[in-house]
Amino acid sequence: DAGITQSPRYKITETGRQVTLMCHQTWSHSYMFWYRQDLGHGLRLIYYSAAADITDKGEVPDGYVVSRSKTENFPLTLESATRSQTSVYFCASVGVTEAFFGQGTRLTVV
Amino acid sequence: AQTVTQSQPEMSVQEAETVTLSCTYDTSENNYYLFWYKQPPSRQMILVIRQEAYKQQNATENRFSVNFQKAAKSFSLKISDSQLGDTAMYFCAFMKLTDSNSGYALNFGKGTSLLVTP
Repeated sequence: DAGITQSPRYKITETGRQVTLMCHQTWSHSYMFWYRQDLGHGLRLIYYSAAADITDKGEVPDGYVVSRSKTENFPLTLESATRSQTSVYFCASVGVTEAFFGQGTRLTVV
Repeated sequence: AQTVTQSQPEMSVQEAETVTLSCTYDTSENNYYLFWYKQPPSRQMILVIRQEAYKQQNATENRFSVNFQKAAKSFSLKISDSQLGDTAMYFCAFMKLTDSNSGYALNFGKGTSLLVTP
């Protein structure tokens, strides 16, 4: 099925652990984005990618790492999770005239 | 950087009434897109309506319409005949068209929580 999918949908992890959130899109869109959504802050950009092997920081990149070895995948890694990274994470890919979103990942760091 | 401002954190409207959500943005670009996204409790981001900056005509999608004032950098969403299913968080978003000389932007406001009451 065409679309954009995130996995997992829910994740609980412990402080200090490494966590990777996956994002996969089937349209071969060049641009992909990672956002975090927190109450009162809306969606804040973590990282984005213009193409395979091209990534750039957004508004809140600290503590996160991304890679894009293939156009369709854009994983987000929390190198050492902290409680402040408890949030809902959204991946998006952008077509010519619209952004498409994954279902979101609710991450809880305990 | 392009900023998007939604000045109404929460709004309430009665069923069948009309409500307008406000959005302003700041940019020096001439070509861009503006969007309203709806996020119901399911968390899914759903595109409500899209406006191309080069089009003077305001976009309309059934009960949803926008008032796009390019010079004032204003992009409000009007929901007519409000329904209980319209209860959701609404985000205004700015997207800059691809330009080889500058970066890319997809920026969101902080959202307006809309409650439709019976």
